[in-house]
Amino acid sequence: ETGVTQTPRHLVMGMTNKKSLKCEQHLGHNAMYWYKQSAKKPLELMFVYNFKEQTENNSVPSRFSPECPNSSHLFLHLHTLQPEDSALYLCASSQGEPNSPLHFGNGTRLTVT
Amino acid sequence: AQSVAQPEDQVNVAEGNPLTVKCTYSVSGNPYLFWYVQYPNRGLQFLLKYITGDNLVKGSYGFEAEFNKSQTSFHLKKPSALVSDSALYFCAVKSGQTGANNLFFGTGTRLTVIP
Repeated sequence: ETGVTQTPRHLVMGMTNKKSLKCEQHLGHNAMYWYKQSAKKPLELMFVYNFKEQTENNSVPSRFSPECPNSSHLFLHLHTLQPEDSALYLCASSQGEPNSPLHFGNGTRLTVT
Repeated sequence: AQSVAQPEDQVNVAEGNPLTVKCTYSVSGNPYLFWYVQYPNRGLQFLLKYITGDNLVKGSYGFEAEFNKSQTSFHLKKPSALVSDSALYFCAVKSGQTGANNLFFGTGTRLTVIP
């Protein structure tokens, strides 16, 4: 069983809705990440938090808003999304050092209608 | 610029035969290299990594990978494939010169092991 838990597993939302994705890690890691996985494309790094501070924002549209209240929890707030935002959103955590592997959750499958 | 190439979208191999999943990379400075596996409806799972030292790295589930600096490759291998190895495999690279956050993934290779 993964040490990184994501909820919900599936989410269908309209373009005018507001929803949030939740991620919790039980591994004592310092860094947490949001990735977007679309078919036939490399994983896209969206946001990184180290010790609750955002250290990376890869030109992500403002309709995606991350929140990291502590080192164990990470949220991704969604509003006025587009159909092309439909994808698998993966949360990951790591020790935060360059050679530390990432530990991923099982993802939230998002469909925007 | 940093990048990872997985030239094969799909690899098919018979059960019991050796398997190879290819990966080449481009990175500034010394690379940190990783392999991950993704089963259906799951997140990615870490298999193995190369940081420094021996070019042959051993990882989980009997997998190993060979780092070749001159060819900038990091191919994943297993001597005898199992049906349960069927999954999506991702190679990833990080530069030792940049921050810890810049991990670049390939597009993935789907491995199918045929009984």
